[in-house]
Amino acid sequence: AQKITQTQPGMFVQEKEAVTLDCTYDTSDQSYGLFWYKQPSSGEMIFLIYQGSYDEQNATEGRYSLNFQKARKSANLVISASQLGDSAMYFCAMREGPGGGFKTIFGAGTRLFVKA
Amino acid sequence: NAGVTQTPKFQVLKTGQSMTLQCAQDMNHNSMYWYRQDPGMGLRLIYYSASEGTTDKGEVPNGYNVSRLNKREFSLRLESAAPSQTSVYFCASSDVPQEEKLFFGSGTQLSVL
Repeated sequence: AQKITQTQPGMFVQEKEAVTLDCTYDTSDQSYGLFWYKQPSSGEMIFLIYQGSYDEQNATEGRYSLNFQKARKSANLVISASQLGDSAMYFCAMREGPGGGFKTIFGAGTRLFVKA
Repeated sequence: NAGVTQTPKFQVLKTGQSMTLQCAQDMNHNSMYWYRQDPGMGLRLIYYSASEGTTDKGEVPNGYNVSRLNKREFSLRLESAAPSQTSVYFCASSDVPQEEKLFFGSGTQLSVL
């Protein structure tokens, strides 16, 4: 069963606008971590943001924020004031808890296109 | 700061050939991972090692073997390569719970003809 679901294969956003990338996850562990990574066309994986399952406040890192809704098991990434350089693949990931061996698994990704 | 170093960066194999992908990290991390990335499928976990001396199967382990040689090094071996193993392979490390995020190598582009 897929544990990380990203339902948007591709998204378009106008430069300077905000965009939300969706992510839902499935786990029976109480302790886990949620991440977003960016992969530009150059191929490297860039860490963006992290949310622990016990963190009560939504994580923020500059223009990135993670909208964490624990009951709904969703961890959407919000990018404010989009820039042309934000065009890339974005992956949601989950570091599983003890039940999952603490391993990190990824969703299929969302390709974001920022239009000038 | 070297971080996570993967070798080789590119490799072309013929069906049935074997090879080992090398990975080393210099951050004293406990956990190391091997992923493959295929178009439309994101990163899929092949094997991981939560700590030195342990290895576990991930989501797609068939056709691969791994060795956690020491705390620094985690190698991935293809014993008899198949065209279905054409992919980009990433090694990563982390130090749960002290350092949650993954540190990635630069990837290996593998083509099996």
